[in-house]
Amino acid sequence: SQQGEEDPQALSIQEGENATMNCSYKTSINNLQWYRQNSGRGLVHLILIRSNEREKHSGRLRVTLDTSKKSSSLLITASRAADTASYFCASIQGAQKLVFGQGTRLTINP
Amino acid sequence: NAGVMQNPRHLVRRRGQEARLRCSPMKGHSHVYWYRQLPEEGLKFMVYLQKENIIDESGMPKERFSAEFPKEGPSILRIQQVVRGDSAAYFCASSPLNTGTGVGTEAFFGQGTRLTVV
Repeated sequence: SQQGEEDPQALSIQEGENATMNCSYKTSINNLQWYRQNSGRGLVHLILIRSNEREKHSGRLRVTLDTSKKSSSLLITASRAADTASYFCASIQGAQKLVFGQGTRLTINP
Repeated sequence: NAGVMQNPRHLVRRRGQEARLRCSPMKGHSHVYWYRQLPEEGLKFMVYLQKENIIDESGMPKERFSAEFPKEGPSILRIQQVVRGDSAAYFCASSPLNTGTGVGTEAFFGQGTRLTVV
């Protein structure tokens, strides 16, 4: 089974609006990572948040982590058409393997 | 650094043939992951390898699938006697360390190999 579960599965917003995606996980983690995938391409790492961190920023990205609820959120502010992609959270399951959720398909409408 | 290189990008095989997918990790990376992705779905973990060792193959089907990461050369994902259900995109990722250990250990992905079984 996949470690992360993102919601919503699909999100469509207007350019300039903020987009929020959520991720829940099942087991304890050392860190949680977010990745982006453009259609037909490989995944690109966006940001990593450690288990002892609550919030992290990178440009227009803001990630939060709530280990008590086993959940994380990714916020993209001032969205652009180029942000259209699928976004995945990922964490380590067991000792070794990086496991991904089903992803959120984000569409930014111009 | 050329990044993670996968080849071929597209592979067409007839049912019963063998598919061999190659992944060259980034320079200096000794950890390789293979994933399978069906359209509109997430990435399903298949196998995690270090040089000459299979660390976790819990996502690999018991039959027909095998993976290796030799001391020299690329990692290979091999699918014998392919069936139509094997059609998918197969992604390889590499990292310099076990990617669960903290900052700087994110995984870098290749562009994938799209396998079509006809």
